[in-house]
Amino acid sequence: NAGVTQTPKFQVLKTGQSMTLQCAQDMNHEYMSWYRQDPGMGLRLIHYSVGAGITDQGEVPNGYNVSRSTTEDFPLRLLSAAPSQTSVYFCASSYSGTGRNEQFFGPGTRLTVL
Amino acid sequence: AQKITQTQPGMFVQEKEAVTLDCTYDTSDPSYGLFWYKQPSSGEMIFLIYQGSYDQQNATEGRYSLNFQKARKSANLVISASQLGDSAMYFCAMREPAGGNQFYFGTGTSLTVIP
Repeated sequence: NAGVTQTPKFQVLKTGQSMTLQCAQDMNHEYMSWYRQDPGMGLRLIHYSVGAGITDQGEVPNGYNVSRSTTEDFPLRLLSAAPSQTSVYFCASSYSGTGRNEQFFGPGTRLTVL
Repeated sequence: AQKITQTQPGMFVQEKEAVTLDCTYDTSDPSYGLFWYKQPSSGEMIFLIYQGSYDQQNATEGRYSLNFQKARKSANLVISASQLGDSAMYFCAMREPAGGNQFYFGTGTSLTVIP
């Protein structure tokens, strides 16, 4: 049981380049989400999904796209990287519904945009 | 308005002492969940403790307890008998039913345990 996996762990991009951050979970969780973590700002929600084929925007969606074609995978695409997107990105998953259902986090991707 | 507010950017505690990390939340939904996560310097997010809005008793998990004051909308984390390994960032989070059970995180508190 690998939990939530993210690739790559580190990435350096030039302004204007595009890339995809991969996220996969093997716990059959319905809910998946992407956060960015910046110093002093906690975790801010970028996009989330409540199931395959269903995605929605979070607090800071501009410049990012997502899709959810399977329950397991939830990739995050940076369309045209900007220095403001330099951050640590976390993918997380959980069961939906009330009750404990805590989010499980991946190890994070540290992205630098030059 | 902020959904989760953590007003202590940094805290210090002596080893073996107890420490309280503050968290207030804002919601109009009667059904919600409150969570605390720990993030050590290695970067991973570790779930610590959960409190449901309808739970009558304060949650406890080992040395962690959650001081839940519903009328004040506060969910403070109490760590007893602090250890050097408790030095980390601590994040309070809330889950609301709206938005498919969306999570909201606070800005975190950096805890340093002094030997």
